Amino acid sequence: DAGITQSPRHKVTETGTPVTLRCHQTENHRYMYWYRQDPGHGLRLIHYSYGVKDTDKGEVSDGYSVSRSKTEDFLLTLESATSSQTSVYFCAIGEYSGANVLTFGAGSRLTVL
Amino acid sequence: TQLLEQSPQFLSIQEGENLTVYCNSSSVFSSLQWYRQEPGEGPVLLVTVVTGGEVKKLKRLTFQFGDARKDSSLHITAAQPGDTGLYLCAGATSGSRLTFGEGTQLTVNP
Repeated sequence: DAGITQSPRHKVTETGTPVTLRCHQTENHRYMYWYRQDPGHGLRLIHYSYGVKDTDKGEVSDGYSVSRSKTEDFLLTLESATSSQTSVYFCAIGEYSGANVLTFGAGSRLTVL
Repeated sequence: TQLLEQSPQFLSIQEGENLTVYCNSSSVFSSLQWYRQEPGEGPVLLVTVVTGGEVKKLKRLTFQFGDARKDSSLHITAAQPGDTGLYLCAGATSGSRLTFGEGTQLTVNP
């Protein structure tokens, strides 16, 4: 099932500290996405990438940045974590745009104290 | 922003019962997907429906895409405890990203 892995799977940090979550894929898919999942809100798109060094904002991008220097890696950075960023973060990959079938990672649970 | 509303939010039923989950929007989607998510894992795709009025069956699960491509339903026949999970619908417009509904948490009690 692996083809997409997220690290770390769990992290506890303090307000104001930087945090980087990593997503690694072995499928050579062009598209990579970062979502956050919160009760009552479902999955919300933070940022996505449509190629190396090509990224765009999603609906909840404030406070987050991303980088994609290689096809296989997509990094999500919280420059200065806040308690409102406590969430479960999911990375997803897809071959196509539009009606893209997504394969999700297992998630990274982040707690900001 | 396209919004997808799922109902009900929570559903707890007994094994053997039938159920239907709804996914509604005021927007038209080029396709609609259903995912199931289990605790501690990411969502897994169940089905994609593309044509208005389309019906797809996956064993005891029946998926329907509305004629106007604004809504969809998931019907489970004779639910089993293994069907327990969070069911998510996601709509796609041409050339854009997926929009997810909030999900329906289904619990099937033995």
